[in-house]
Amino acid sequence: EAQVTQNPRYLITVTGKKLTVTCSQNMNHEYMSWYRQDPGLGLRQIYYSMNVEVTDKGDVPEGYKVSRKEKRNFPLILESPSPNQTSLYFCASSPSAGTDTQYFGPGTRLTVL
Amino acid sequence: QKEVEQDPGPLSVPEGAIVSLNCTYSNSAFQYFMWYRQYSRKGPELLMYTYSSGNKEDGRFTAQVDKSSKYISLFIRDSQPSDSATYLCAMSLYSGAGSYQLTFGKGTKLSVIP
Repeated sequence: EAQVTQNPRYLITVTGKKLTVTCSQNMNHEYMSWYRQDPGLGLRQIYYSMNVEVTDKGDVPEGYKVSRKEKRNFPLILESPSPNQTSLYFCASSPSAGTDTQYFGPGTRLTVL
Repeated sequence: QKEVEQDPGPLSVPEGAIVSLNCTYSNSAFQYFMWYRQYSRKGPELLMYTYSSGNKEDGRFTAQVDKSSKYISLFIRDSQPSDSATYLCAMSLYSGAGSYQLTFGKGTKLSVIP
């Protein structure tokens, strides 16, 4: 089944404790991105990747890191999480950038205490 | 002014009603227009995709784009309780170096009451 998977689905952590949210797609898509979704603010793009080893900042990149060492994986790293990073995170992929359908993962609900 | 404006609702309609969802935008460079549907506790999924002014129909759904007015709409005919979800408009423009910038509206929460 073609899909985007994210792990973990739910995470509660404390301020400053490094964490990684994994994202993997099995559709051989070139383009992958991370979004956060907050009430009243909608979906905002954090980082995106046009292809392996090519990443760029989205609208709200502060406090996040990403890497794209393999085509299928695009982990989101929070080196020192803070409470304002409590949010619902979505990973998405598409065959190429922008104009194509984006396939979203199921979401990761992160709470930083 | 935000680039994409979308009334968050909530919008509540009786089953069978025609639903109209709308977004306005300020950047005339937007080229592609999409509607995503997001069920509770799920990721968004693409519903409709258009790139020109006019109407595009898919079953009970019609997407309308008016580039001169910078206005897009999604119409749902014969609405069903299963249509209850949050609907997000999205638009993209070419931002250079083979990359496209995608901007989402905040979403409108729709409830269809049986």
